Amino acid sequence: EIVMTQSPATLSVSPGERATLSCRASQSVSSNLAWYQQKPGQAPRLLIYGASTRATGIPARFSGSGSGTEFTLTISSLQSEDFAIYYCQQYNNRYTFGQGTKLEIK
Amino acid sequence: QVQLVQSGAEVKRPGSSVKVSCKASGGTFSSYVFSWVRQAPGQGLEWMGGIIPIFGPANYAQKFQGRVTITADASTSTAYMDLSSLRSEDTAVYYCATGTTTFYYWGQGTLVTVSS
Repeated sequence: EIVMTQSPATLSVSPGERATLSCRASQSVSSNLAWYQQKPGQAPRLLIYGASTRATGIPARFSGSGSGTEFTLTISSLQSEDFAIYYCQQYNNRYTFGQGTKLEIK
Repeated sequence: QVQLVQSGAEVKRPGSSVKVSCKASGGTFSSYVFSWVRQAPGQGLEWMGGIIPIFGPANYAQKFQGRVTITADASTSTAYMDLSSLRSEDTAVYYCATGTTTFYYWGQGTLVTVSS
């Protein structure tokens, strides 16, 4: 099973600033990497797939990069609605999720 | 736009089984991958298994092999997840999710509570 490790577990950032979230795979997943956002009481929402392609309706301030085993989700200028938990997921070999990064207001 | 509507919350006794349904509309049911993902209270997301209705059978995460059965009925565009030998640790919200490669669309979630 491919293990996905996210860092940090919690990230404190002020509104308007940039947030950078990391995700590492235990073996190469090529570009088969997705990012999800989850808010309390809601289902996850797909943000990024193919490591860098934004899903429909996702604002341009969200961007993804990386390939192989190292990936990054960047939110360029944090809005109040962006404070949530973010999960990475590989879909190169079945599916596994990272443990999540909680993005909180500083 | 695909919509997934799941069945309602369940309360089950330890050792029993639960079957959760997920009805799809607005897309081509048979060609999508339908997966089940669960989330225990305060925890992360865990993939349980999935099925492509036109291909079948389902494949499962090793952790759930032998205890979960995922099926799909193309005539009603409905996917099912059956989890047996329930224990308290199975208390979670269970989501169905689908998409062409990864999980573009999600159901609203079904809370399954296992309690004596």
